[in-house]
Amino acid sequence: DAGVIQSPRHEVTEMGQEVTLRCKPISGHDYLFWYRQTMMRGLELLIYFNNNVPIDDSGMPEDRFSAKMPNASFSTLKIQPSEPRDSAVYFCASSLLWGAPYNEQFFGPGTRLTVL
Amino acid sequence: QKEVEQNSGPLSVPEGAIASLNCTYSDRVSQSFFWYRQYSGKSPELIMSIYSNGDKEDGRFTAQLNKASQYVSLLIRDSQPSDSATYLCAVKIRGSGGYQKVTFGTGTKLQVIP
Repeated sequence: DAGVIQSPRHEVTEMGQEVTLRCKPISGHDYLFWYRQTMMRGLELLIYFNNNVPIDDSGMPEDRFSAKMPNASFSTLKIQPSEPRDSAVYFCASSLLWGAPYNEQFFGPGTRLTVL
Repeated sequence: QKEVEQNSGPLSVPEGAIASLNCTYSDRVSQSFFWYRQYSGKSPELIMSIYSNGDKEDGRFTAQLNKASQYVSLLIRDSQPSDSATYLCAVKIRGSGGYQKVTFGTGTKLQVIP
């Protein structure tokens, strides 16, 4: 099985540019999560989807961030305009039947974003 | 108070010793508890989950849960250098609308000295 796929793996951009991160969840999984990880704040949930519908976006830091899931096999996280404080590792994770207590999330390899 | 708290470490233990990692959480309705291992530059991977009070063992790993004290721990027996990583505690709760939410601690860095 391919696991969760993220692209690009590394992104370096300049302040003010638009950044788009991509994720393909594990086939058949009905939940998709976007996380951001920094040394200072650890792993933070940004948003998650169930059956392509956004359920909780309370972790999205501000309007510069947006996420979409047009179909069951693809999601994007967009930052426009980007700022240096957005530099972090962004993880996508997916899960099957997340509502069950034991069900786990499977993480992708992450995208390391650097905004200069 | 943070929702999930861990000592950042580093926790250094000699090879073959028992490593004890601790986590406290603030929400009494927390349902499920997870320990993830994260190697430097890699993504988190699940190593243990627990939701009943008591101990759960899996190979060299034992998770311990005490809901009354709002405390969950991970013991690693016969620690190996390959166990050197950051260990993340995660707590799953049922949020408003019935949907599950998980909160991660900032992690404890474990160093196993050969």
